Amino acid sequence: AQTVTQSQPEMSVQEAETVTLSCTYDTSENNYYLFWYKQPPSRQMILVIRQEAYKQQNATENRFSVNFQKAAKSFSLKISDSQLGDTAMYFCAFMKQPHTGANSKLTFGKGITLSVRP
Amino acid sequence: SQTIHQWPATLVQPVGSPLSLECTVEGTSNPNLYWYRQAAGRGLQLLFYSVGIGQISSEVPQNLSASRPQDRQFILSSKKLLLSDSGFYLCAWSVAPAAGGDGGYTFGSGTRLTVV
Repeated sequence: AQTVTQSQPEMSVQEAETVTLSCTYDTSENNYYLFWYKQPPSRQMILVIRQEAYKQQNATENRFSVNFQKAAKSFSLKISDSQLGDTAMYFCAFMKQPHTGANSKLTFGKGITLSVRP
Repeated sequence: SQTIHQWPATLVQPVGSPLSLECTVEGTSNPNLYWYRQAAGRGLQLLFYSVGIGQISSEVPQNLSASRPQDRQFILSSKKLLLSDSGFYLCAWSVAPAAGGDGGYTFGSGTRLTVV
């Protein structure tokens, strides 16, 4: 079974600064997907970024980027130029390569609460 | 465009009462459907998933059940609620790459259930 670990329950960052959120996972799979989801106070889950394990290049979406270290099973999220609207809970998640419906299940970490200070 | 509707947004129910939460998807066919529960201050736990009409897989033994009477409708039910059923329930859908999607999830807006 896959496990996802987010060991930091809370973090705080000054507006306009950079912050990195950590995530590690455990799997025996070679092909899989990794995700970061954001859950603001509205509680709507929003996809931030995704990474396919077979891609060596780290994914980037505007101010969000990841540091994917497959051998270390590490998948950290870097938020540059932090904004007040980035205040939210962030979840790291793992999915086997979804060839079938049963493989499409997402396994989530416990999340980290990020506060951006003005 | 593809949308997902989940209702109600908030629900307060007494212990022992029945439950029915509904989720519908528009703009896609044969999606994979999921029910997750988020307890206070904790991560998301997968409760049920469905890869087709009438096909339900349960991830954890519990007081809840799920049904998929139509392709784009997913219902979470209970005959008698327990206090421990309180939480935030999220419905989600995805389409696997083999079926033309990208595997990513789209979540509904959630239902906050309080059992009193």
